[in-house]
This record gives sequence, C-alpha cells and structure tokens, in this order.
Amino acid sequence: DTAVSQTPKYLVTQMGNDKSIKCEQNLGHDTMYWYKQDSKKFLKIMFSYNNKELIINETVPNRFSPKSPDKAHLNLHINSLELGDSAVYFCASSQARGSHNEQFFGPGTRLTVL
Amino acid sequence: GQQVMQIPQYQHVQEGEDFTTYCNSSTTLSNIQWYKQRPGGHPVFLIQLVKSGEVKKQKRLTFQFGEAKKNSSLHITATQTTDVGTYFCAGHATDSWGKLQFGAGTQVVVTP
Repeated sequence: DTAVSQTPKYLVTQMGNDKSIKCEQNLGHDTMYWYKQDSKKFLKIMFSYNNKELIINETVPNRFSPKSPDKAHLNLHINSLELGDSAVYFCASSQARGSHNEQFFGPGTRLTVL
Repeated sequence: GQQVMQIPQYQHVQEGEDFTTYCNSSTTLSNIQWYKQRPGGHPVFLIQLVKSGEVKKQKRLTFQFGEAKKNSSLHITATQTTDVGTYFCAGHATDSWGKLQFGAGTQVVVTP
C-alpha cells in the first residue's frame, strides 16, 4: 500500500506547454504540501493545503496553480512551462497543520523541460 | 525570514568512520526534524526533537537539539554503506504553523 502516491513519475515536455502532476494520500491526513527540489537537492516548500484550504503559498510564479478537490488529493498545474521549472516535485502529507507532525513524502515527479 | 543552514554540504566517509552534520537556524525553533533521502528516493522522516538540549539515539545515529533551540546535530558512528544519502534537518519556527524550513542537506558518500 502506497501512503503518498504521485503521477506521473517522469514528465518530459517542451517549453511553453501546460502540465499537471497529481498526488493522493491514503493516510487520512488533513494537510498536504508541494515541494520543489532543484538539482542541488535544495527542498523548497511551494504550497500547503489543510483540509482543502490553502494555508501556505510561497513566492511561486502564478503559472503554478495547486488544486485540492478533497483532503486526500492535491494536484499541481503548471502553465507555460519554462526551462527553470525542471526539478523534482514532491508531494507530502502530515496528520495536521501543527508543527509537531512528521511529513510523509511521495516518490516524486521528475519534470524535465526541453 | 527564517533560514536553516546545514554543514557540511558534502561528506565523504570511509566505512567504519564516524561523522557529524550540523544544522543552524537564524531563529528559535519550536522543534527540529531530520529526514534521510537515499539516491533517487524521497525524503523519509527519521526523528523529531522538541525539548531544549534533547538527545535521541537510533542505533548508530545520535541526534541533539541545542539548548537555545537554534541548532542541531546528527552524529553517525561506524558508518556503513547503507548510510549513503542526503540528510536534511528541517525546523519549524515558533509561529510557522506547519511550514517546515529545510536545510540544504548533507550528501554523504561512503567508501568501502
């Protein structure tokens, strides 16, 4: 049983295209996150949702739009892809939004923009 | 804003040796978490420290949280090839409401 799953695992696309990444967690958690990991392995939070409500929205280009249809799903849509968007995107979840909750990460989606 | 710095960025270790990675925050943390990411994998939670001066052990791994709750360390004894990966510290500022600030990670390479 996969706790946090993401699709697709790999995504290769051309500049200017629009793409989506999907995330699902079956842990019953209330809070979900999107992180971007660059080539130097730096992990940066992008967004967080708590029970479908956006609670963290970091300085991210508005080409990135998260959507949470229910608390078990958090998708990421990216418009007009740029070369600099190439990275590994991780979805994560935690039981609640408080600071004492460990985060469970999905396997990641490696996005390559050509 | 809050910054979490981690050193060293890279650590080459001979199998059987010990090493330590250090984490420093510009602000006081409510807690600190450590994660391990194997090559090609995803970050996996190792441990959380909450109390000032707290020390926790997991087999060959020893985690410490500083008295001022602004720094932490991970010490690994008798390194094994299974310890290969990137170790991240991540801290919550006292008013962050779940926003975890990750350090840049220490990439560990173990040579047999």
